[in-house]
Amino acid sequence: EDQVTQSPEALRLQEGESSSLNCSYTVSGLRGLFWYRQDPGKGPEFLFTLYSAGEEKEKERLKATLTKKESFLHITAPKPEDSATYLCAVTNQAGTALIFGKGTTLSVSS
Amino acid sequence: EAQVTQNPRYLITVTGKKLTVTCSQNMNHEYMSWYRQDPGLGLRQIYYSMNVEVTDKGDVPEGYKVSRKEKRNFPLILESPSPNQTSLYFCASSPGGGSYNEQFFGPGTRLTVL
Repeated sequence: EDQVTQSPEALRLQEGESSSLNCSYTVSGLRGLFWYRQDPGKGPEFLFTLYSAGEEKEKERLKATLTKKESFLHITAPKPEDSATYLCAVTNQAGTALIFGKGTTLSVSS
Repeated sequence: EAQVTQNPRYLITVTGKKLTVTCSQNMNHEYMSWYRQDPGLGLRQIYYSMNVEVTDKGDVPEGYKVSRKEKRNFPLILESPSPNQTSLYFCASSPGGGSYNEQFFGPGTRLTVL
């Protein structure tokens, strides 16, 4: 069964304190791993897509990496506006749905 | 502006009163999908549509119906809502190819069934 597990559930950082969020997945033949950001009461906002092990993508203070079993979202020198829930998802085998993890809620204080 | 819109954004209703949540996208996307988000359970797919007149069940379809008569619209219908359908609902769309491409999400509809 396709499954996505994110850790930690919640993370509190001081402004400027870099860290990483983890997403481990089990899917037969990965066809896409996605990172989204979700602010309270809003829809998920697309960040990155990764398709193969070794792939990396960056956007401002965020960098996503992918191995054969997990993905990391590295946050470098975070700011309070980076506070949000970060969701990881993989495409299911049939290519008809995203299977989401439960998310990591990040709080960055100044 | 490229976007997915949903209406209403908030709805409080009573058990058994039929309702429809509309979803519309202006990006000419072939694939559309409905998800519900519940605390501790995350986002789960209700129904999806690969193209006009092509719909199928997701992981949690019980109590819901959908239709796809036009490419841009994908309404979610609750024929007889029950309290366990109280949730936050999201519509999403992506270019052709199903869920292999990034999905664009709407702003959400918060539904309360009393």
